[in-house]
Formats: sequence, structure tokens, C-alpha cells
Amino acid sequence: AQSVTQLGSHVSVSEGALVLLRCNYSSSVPPYLFWYVQYPNQGLQLLLKYTSAATLVKGINGFEAEFKKSETSFHLTKPSAHMSDAAEYFCAVRGGSNYKLTFGKGTLLTVNP
Amino acid sequence: DTGVSQDPRHKITKRGQNVTFRCDPISEHNRLYWYRQTLGQGPEFLTYFQNEAQLEKSRLLSDRFSAERPKGSFSTLEIQRTEQGDSAMYLCASSSTGEEEPQHFGDGTRLSIL
Repeated sequence: AQSVTQLGSHVSVSEGALVLLRCNYSSSVPPYLFWYVQYPNQGLQLLLKYTSAATLVKGINGFEAEFKKSETSFHLTKPSAHMSDAAEYFCAVRGGSNYKLTFGKGTLLTVNP
Repeated sequence: DTGVSQDPRHKITKRGQNVTFRCDPISEHNRLYWYRQTLGQGPEFLTYFQNEAQLEKSRLLSDRFSAERPKGSFSTLEIQRTEQGDSAMYLCASSSTGEEEPQHFGDGTRLSIL
């Protein structure tokens, strides 16, 4: 079975500041990990994915995430926040041949001018 | 590259009515998924198709819910005798073959039960 915990339901940063969104996972098999972003009244857009290749994964819009097996973490970062980054972010895990995604509860990112 | 398309975007209905949603996946994708998202929560898995075969169903999918993918292309999700608790966003996703392939989501159908 898989599970995801996203620490912090709401994160607020200033424009230009570092963005750090936390995700810890649990999986009984080697996981595939994903970050998605959701804008109001829209579906989920894939930001990046970890599939057992490089532990540091680069995604779209300047985001990246690092897979740390020892910490069971997959935190999302961006060096400099932009106003357009304001949205809800979801971390998701999938285990091996089990194709369903298990999502965290999401983190709402607010970017202040 | 057309993405996943869902119809309708919004559905308002009275309690007890039946509703049907449609999902058109990305054309070359043979896997299709349905999720439900309630306010303040992440999406929850409902069911999964590979081609026309429904391979997994969540216990969330009560006997009032049924999903089909008759020709392995578009899919429909039907809810019979809707209840207040069915109010949610229903998301469809698709992916191609391969364990590493990510799921691509549509914009969802928001269901409101009066």
C-alpha cells in the first residue's frame, strides 16, 4: 500500500523567494513519485516525475524535486517564486505495477508581491 | 496534441437523479482512469481501464456508480440515484503503456447536487 503526507496545507512566500513544498511517502515497493499543480477550476498538470533514474528531477516552470530514499521524501523546490506559481500542489505516489495514483491532501501556495 | 477532454464541465442536478459524464483520453493512450476530488482533498482513485477492460475498482465506487469504456476509446461514468455526498469534481486521466508513464488529467466535471 502507498500513502503520501504533505506537510503544510498552506505555504505563503514573497515573490522572488525560495519555494519549498514538502512531501513524504510510504510505499511497500519501489515508488514512482509525481508532483502535479492545479489552478482553480482546472485539472491537474504534471510538473515532474521520479521513476528511479536520477534522484534530482527537473520539471517545468523552474521546479525541481529530490528523491531521498533514506528520508522517504520528495520535496518540491523552486529558487525564485513568481506570482503565476500561486496554485495548489499535489504530491502523488504509485507503486510498481499498481497503476493507481495515491495523492496527498495538497498544499496551497500563495505568492505575495 | 489534444489533451484529455471531459464533458460536461459542470453539472447541477437534483438529488435522486442519474448523471453521466464522458471522458475522451489522449488518442494514443490505452489506459484510462477516473478519480474523485472533494473540496480541500487530493484526488481519490475510483477505477482504471486498460483498453476496454476495467481492471480495478475502488471500494469508493458503490453499486450506484458504473463506468464503461466500450471500444477502448472514450469512457463514461454514470452515477444513479445521486446523493448529496456525490458532490465533487470527477477527474479523468489517461496514460500510455509503460510503468514510468505519467497520467495526464482533464479539467474535470464538477457535480453539484441540490
